[in-house]
Amino acid sequence: SQQGEEDPQALSIQEGENATMNCSYKTSINNLQWYRQNSGRGLVHLILIRSNEREKHSGRLRVTLDTSKKSSSLLITASRAADTASYFCATARPGYSTLTFGKGTMLLVSP
Amino acid sequence: GAGVSQSPSNKVTEKGKDVELRCDPISGHTALYWYRQSLGQGLEFLIYFQGNSAPDKSGLPSDRFSAERTGGSVSTLTIQRTQQEDSAVYLCASSHGQGESYEQYFGPGTRLTVT
Repeated sequence: SQQGEEDPQALSIQEGENATMNCSYKTSINNLQWYRQNSGRGLVHLILIRSNEREKHSGRLRVTLDTSKKSSSLLITASRAADTASYFCATARPGYSTLTFGKGTMLLVSP
Repeated sequence: GAGVSQSPSNKVTEKGKDVELRCDPISGHTALYWYRQSLGQGLEFLIYFQGNSAPDKSGLPSDRFSAERTGGSVSTLTIQRTQQEDSAVYLCASSHGQGESYEQYFGPGTRLTVT
């Protein structure tokens, strides 16, 4: 089964609203990363949060990590139509050199 | 500088034929990954190369799949005797250092359709 599971599977909002996506995982991690994918093609790295960090910001993005609950959230503030994409969390587990991706949240931002 | 490039961007092949997919990583990146993404699904790890170490092939779904990386740079993913279930987007990524601590840079992918 997937290490990371995003919730919700799909999210539809209006421009200007905030979008929150959640990621849950099963095992201990070294770090957790969020990626964006447009039109089913290449992914773009958004942010990396390490296991000893609780919150991180990058522009309009805010990521939180709760290792006790094995969960992370990605908040996009003041969303724009250009934010329409699929968002994936990816976890890096101790002893593994690869990332494990969830199935993603599809975000639709309407003008 | 140039990002990760993949070729071809689209490939349609008949069931039973062999295909080769190419990935050119970012210059200087020591780690290279191949993933597969089926429609509406997440990324499925296939294989990982790190420097001159033996590749991690643990994600390859069958012995019809193989990959090599020549000179620590360009990589080729080969699928022999293609099946319809092989239809997917194949994504390549590279990173500066050893995998999980570094962000991965993805190519645009190759969309493979097996008819």
